[in-house]
Amino acid sequence: AAGVIQSPRHLIKEKRETATLKCYPIPRHDTVYWYQQGPGQDPQFLISFYEKMQSDKGSIPDRFSAQQFSDYHSELNMSSLELGDSALYFCASTRGFGTEAFFGQGTRLTVV
Amino acid sequence: DAKTTQPNSMESNEEEPVHLPCNHSTISGTDYIHWYRQLPSQGPEYVIHGLTSNVNNRMASLAIAEDRKSSTLILHRATLRDAAVYYCIPFGNEKLTFGTGTRLTIIP
Repeated sequence: AAGVIQSPRHLIKEKRETATLKCYPIPRHDTVYWYQQGPGQDPQFLISFYEKMQSDKGSIPDRFSAQQFSDYHSELNMSSLELGDSALYFCASTRGFGTEAFFGQGTRLTVV
Repeated sequence: DAKTTQPNSMESNEEEPVHLPCNHSTISGTDYIHWYRQLPSQGPEYVIHGLTSNVNNRMASLAIAEDRKSSTLILHRATLRDAAVYYCIPFGNEKLTFGTGTRLTIIP
């Protein structure tokens, strides 16, 4: 069965550069969630989209933006990268709210 | 967001049952109780969820208190592959938010 696909799996960027992370949800899933997980920390919710509209917002820095496209994939755009942005970024998808969430394997972003 | 309270860590012997508790006293009436686990260097993985009745699947069982203010995830026979951080999350119409889960260690 198709799972949530994230790309790239690994990304190395320099400070002040930009990065774009992509998330492809499971077919027919209409809701996408983004998370940031620093070393030894729990996943922190960043932002979510339902039917291509932002549905909720968490601790997402103003330097980050995201959107969900007509094919339901989502992209997280990160600008003016800082060393502290180095983390694992996960996305998850659901079909509506309250249903089983499927997570991708994550993108490991390293800012040097 | 509904707040959850879980033990920071638990240990269990291999092949024995494990009961992982969670308090969610502020859960709303429409929130499901979800459980996820995260193995090292992997994305979180769905385990089980329920609303009011106890639930069973191939991975685990979920026992939900009658007042829905607490729940217990039951692993019937722990294996080394069950070593992970386990999160209980009330999830309904709002974001799926992780709290501080329980790190489960399995002793061979």
